[in-house]
Amino acid sequence: DQQVKQNSPSLSVQEGRISILNCDYTNSMFDYFLWYKKYPAEGPTFLISISSIKDKNEDGRFTVFLNKSAKHLSLHIVPSQPGDSAVYFCAATRPEYGNKLVFGAGTILRVKS
Amino acid sequence: DAGVIQSPRHEVTEMGQEVTLRCKPISGHDYLFWYRQTMMRGLELLIYFNNNVPIDDSGMPEDRFSAKMPNASFSTLKIQPSEPRDSAVYFCASSPAGSNYGYTFGSGTRLTVV
Repeated sequence: DQQVKQNSPSLSVQEGRISILNCDYTNSMFDYFLWYKKYPAEGPTFLISISSIKDKNEDGRFTVFLNKSAKHLSLHIVPSQPGDSAVYFCAATRPEYGNKLVFGAGTILRVKS
Repeated sequence: DAGVIQSPRHEVTEMGQEVTLRCKPISGHDYLFWYRQTMMRGLELLIYFNNNVPIDDSGMPEDRFSAKMPNASFSTLKIQPSEPRDSAVYFCASSPAGSNYGYTFGSGTRLTVV
């Protein structure tokens, strides 16, 4: 039973446009959410996070939005750059998990120049 | 800081052989995690340790898989006997306690069982 779902296996966007990556979760007890980015032959790296007490967190070109009632979060990248082409993983956790994260299956983003 | 170090980077082995994957976490990190990445399931948590003690191994697929952390600077994931369906990329990650910035992952070990 996947608690964190990324239903779009891939996304293709033109350079300069907005990329929107989506993530849904089923466990309403999750209180902290993270996005990781992964390049080929490398491990995932932390990108941005959001606490459940917020509905938006911004860091440069990256913004994460959280809709708790819909159990949905999204990552917006504006403007998209070719270097953003990577696999993006959504992850979630709750206090009882300690430091354990539950990851989605990932979305491959391709930014075309 | 050299980050999380995994070895080997690539492993090709024949079905039925024993495979051992190795991980050196970041010094001072209390948590160590083993994940497996496949196309179908994404990143699956296999097992994690807190202060060298296994906390949750519910993700370990079968008794063929075992993991140890004999000290704070070293962990192994062993598959015996290996099967073709074990082919995947295996990641080790470490994290300090209470981190709000998640994990630091190693570069992974790509395992191919033929």
